[in-house]
Amino acid sequence: DIQMTQSPSTLSASVGDRVTITCRASQSITNWLAWYQQKPGKAPKLLIYQASSLESGVPSRFSGSGSGTEFTLTISSLQPDDFATYYCQQYNSYSTFGQGTKLEIK
Amino acid sequence: QVQLVQSGAEVKKPGSSVKVSCKASGGIFSNYGITWVRQAPGQGLEWMGRIIPTLGIVNHAQRFQDRVTITADISTTTAYMELSSLRSEDTALYYCAKDKKYCGSSTCYQSFDHWGQGTLVTVSS
Repeated sequence: DIQMTQSPSTLSASVGDRVTITCRASQSITNWLAWYQQKPGKAPKLLIYQASSLESGVPSRFSGSGSGTEFTLTISSLQPDDFATYYCQQYNSYSTFGQGTKLEIK
Repeated sequence: QVQLVQSGAEVKKPGSSVKVSCKASGGIFSNYGITWVRQAPGQGLEWMGRIIPTLGIVNHAQRFQDRVTITADISTTTAYMELSSLRSEDTALYYCAKDKKYCGSSTCYQSFDHWGQGTLVTVSS
């Protein structure tokens, strides 16, 4: 099984900050990686697919990059609505999620 | 528009089984896979398995191989996930989700662009 490791587990930041979340795969997944945002009591929402493609309707302050085993999700200027938990997902072989990164207000 | 509507909450005894349904609308059922993901209270997301109804393809995560059965009824555009030999650790919110793109083989996997509302399964004696 491919393991996905996210860092950090928790991130404290302020509105307007630029933040980056990292996801590492235990083996190469080429670019078969997605990022989701989840708020309490809600289903996850797709932000980025195929490592860097922005899902329709998602604000352009979200961006993804990487290939192989290392990937990043960047939020260029945090907005109040962005405080949530973020998950990466590999779909190169079966599928697995990272353990999540909780983005908190500093 | 695309919509996935899941069955209601369940309370089950340890050792029993649960079957959760996911009714799809919006013309997606025949062309896309449906995946099941669960989330234990306060925990992360866990991929359980998926079905591509029109191709009859079913894949499961290794850890659920012996306990999960994923099926679909094309005539009613409904997918099902049955989990057997329930234990307290299976208490979780179970989601169905639609593949973002068409997958034409058993080795193709996808991200998920639409999700059901979740079904809470509680396992308790």
